[in-house]
Amino acid sequence: EAQVTQNPRYLITVTGKKLTVTCSQNMNHEYMSWYRQDPGLGLRQIYYSMNVEATDKGDVPEGYKVSRKEKRNFPLILESPSPNQTSLYFCASSRQGVETQYFGPGTRLLVL
Amino acid sequence: DQQVKQNSPSLSVQEGRISILNCDYTNSMFDYFLWYKKYPAEGPTFLISISSIKDKNEDGRFTVFLNKSAKHLSLHIVPSQPGDSAVYFCAASAKRFSGSARQLTFGSGTQLTVLP
Repeated sequence: EAQVTQNPRYLITVTGKKLTVTCSQNMNHEYMSWYRQDPGLGLRQIYYSMNVEATDKGDVPEGYKVSRKEKRNFPLILESPSPNQTSLYFCASSRQGVETQYFGPGTRLLVL
Repeated sequence: DQQVKQNSPSLSVQEGRISILNCDYTNSMFDYFLWYKKYPAEGPTFLISISSIKDKNEDGRFTVFLNKSAKHLSLHIVPSQPGDSAVYFCAASAKRFSGSARQLTFGSGTQLTVLP
């Protein structure tokens, strides 16, 4: 089954404790992206990757890091989480040059 | 400054009637538009799209209309069904530079409730 998976689905952490949210896709897509969803703001792009070892900032990259060492994986790293990073996070993937993105189920993060 | 706006946070419609969800955009470089549907505890799923060279695209019960001069698009669902109850996101895409991936800019979403 073609899918994008994220782990964990729910996470409660404390300020400053480094965490990683994993994202994996099995569709051999070149393009992957991370979004956060906040009330009244829709989905905002954090980082994206056009292919292995090619990443770039989206609209709200502050406080986040990503890496793309393998085509299927695109982890999101919060080196020192803060309460304003409490949000719902989505990973997405697509073929290069195609607008239709496939989304993971989301990771709900609470930073205390 | 939001480049894609969905001004109605919520919409309630009776089953069998038409649902009309609206979206406005400000960036004239947008040339491809999409609608995504999102159920609780799930990721958004692609619903329908339209290129700026068209003014209408239809897929079953779903039709998207694009008015480029007004920078406005709408999603029509006819007839509406209770299973259509979800949050609907409008998204727009502009090619940032030659050979680049297409980036999506999302609206804030509209919660559609179809009443039985």
